[in-house]
Amino acid sequence: GESVGLHLPTLSVQEGDNSIINCAYSNSASDYFIWYKQESGKGPQFIIDIRSNMDKRQGQRVTVLLNKTVKHLSLQIAATQPGDSAVYFCALASPGYSTLTFGKGTMLLVSP
Amino acid sequence: EPEVTQTPSHQVTQMGQEVILRCVPISNHLYFYWYRQILGQKVEFLVSFYNNEISEKSEIFDDQFSVERPDGSNFTLKIRSTKLEDSAMYFCASSEVRDSGYTFGSGTRLTVV
Repeated sequence: GESVGLHLPTLSVQEGDNSIINCAYSNSASDYFIWYKQESGKGPQFIIDIRSNMDKRQGQRVTVLLNKTVKHLSLQIAATQPGDSAVYFCALASPGYSTLTFGKGTMLLVSP
Repeated sequence: EPEVTQTPSHQVTQMGQEVILRCVPISNHLYFYWYRQILGQKVEFLVSFYNNEISEKSEIFDDQFSVERPDGSNFTLKIRSTKLEDSAMYFCASSEVRDSGYTFGSGTRLTVV
């Protein structure tokens, strides 16, 4: 079956730093990847997604990098702000499936 | 911005009781999902629903669980006889197409005592 893992359970950064959150996955058939942000007591909030035919995608202050060779996904947050403090999950889906498999989450703590 | 609405936000129930968790998906979405998150753990898929029937379900979604779209707007998850280990956050999600654009609700925290 699929498994999704995260390298670091907690990442502490200073405001203004760039943050990188990593995610490893095992199913090479996965073709759709999403990063979610979850604040305390709330549901997962979509940040950015990427399909397997791309290796990089940029949004506002965020960049997702996909390395299919090593089955690794990362989320880069530029100029991290205190409001970015949350748990970040990677999630992936495979062709023909509508379901998402989530990683365990990385807690990002941003100090002012 | 359109959102998925879940009620109640918190439900406390006694073991063995039935609970119904309610969701109003985004109006033009066609695919509906339930996920759950046990405290401190990752979000787990329960079931997906399309065209008035279950399209996929996980091994967690056993006979005590059922889903229903009783009208044009609501999507419900019923747990027939709750167990202590059913305590979790339950998230409803919807999407317009099958494999992208998922929007999650804020969840219902179910506490079984």
